[in-house]
Amino acid sequence: AQSVTQLGSHVSVSEGALVLLRCNYSSSVPPYLFWYVQYPNQGLQLLLKYTTGATLVKGINGFEAEFKKSETSFHLTKPSAHMSDAAEYFCAVSLPPKTGANNLFFGTGTRLTVIP
Amino acid sequence: GAGVSQSPSNKVTEKGKDVELRCDPISGHTALYWYRQSLGQGLEFLIYFQGNSAPDKSGLPSDRFSAERTGGSVSTLTIQRTQQEDSAVYLCASSLRQREAFFGQGTRLTVV
Repeated sequence: AQSVTQLGSHVSVSEGALVLLRCNYSSSVPPYLFWYVQYPNQGLQLLLKYTTGATLVKGINGFEAEFKKSETSFHLTKPSAHMSDAAEYFCAVSLPPKTGANNLFFGTGTRLTVIP
Repeated sequence: GAGVSQSPSNKVTEKGKDVELRCDPISGHTALYWYRQSLGQGLEFLIYFQGNSAPDKSGLPSDRFSAERTGGSVSTLTIQRTQQEDSAVYLCASSLRQREAFFGQGTRLTVV
């Protein structure tokens, strides 16, 4: 079975503070991992992805995430929060396609609030 | 196309009517997904198409919901006899095998 767990449905940080959004996954095969951001009334936009290779990946808007296989984690971080970072963030796991079975699984999302 | 296109962007319908939502995926993408997102909620998986394989319909909430994908490209999600609880944003995404999924802007469905 595969699943994605995002700890904390709501996270609040002060402007300029560190952003840490947690994501843990379970998978029986090596997954590809993604973080998406959703701004109000918009679709989902890819922030960053891990497929193979370097475990620390950088994305747009200063975000980065580190794949830790031993911890089955893919936490999202940003050193200094900006007001424009306020949004909903989704972690996702993609598995090798198998006939007849969905291969893309999302966490329940974390709403990030940035306090001025 | 440049991205995933969904139409209409907004749809208001009366309770009991049928609606069709359309998704044009990125050309060449073999996988296509439909999700539902209720106000302030996460993504609810509905259905998954991969190439010519039979779709994974395990997320469809009732038999009023159906979807098809013609020619491995355009997909239509149909909701029959709409109910107020069907009101939500319906999101479509496409991808190439295991790679990142690209999302459309969604269709906001309101059942009155």
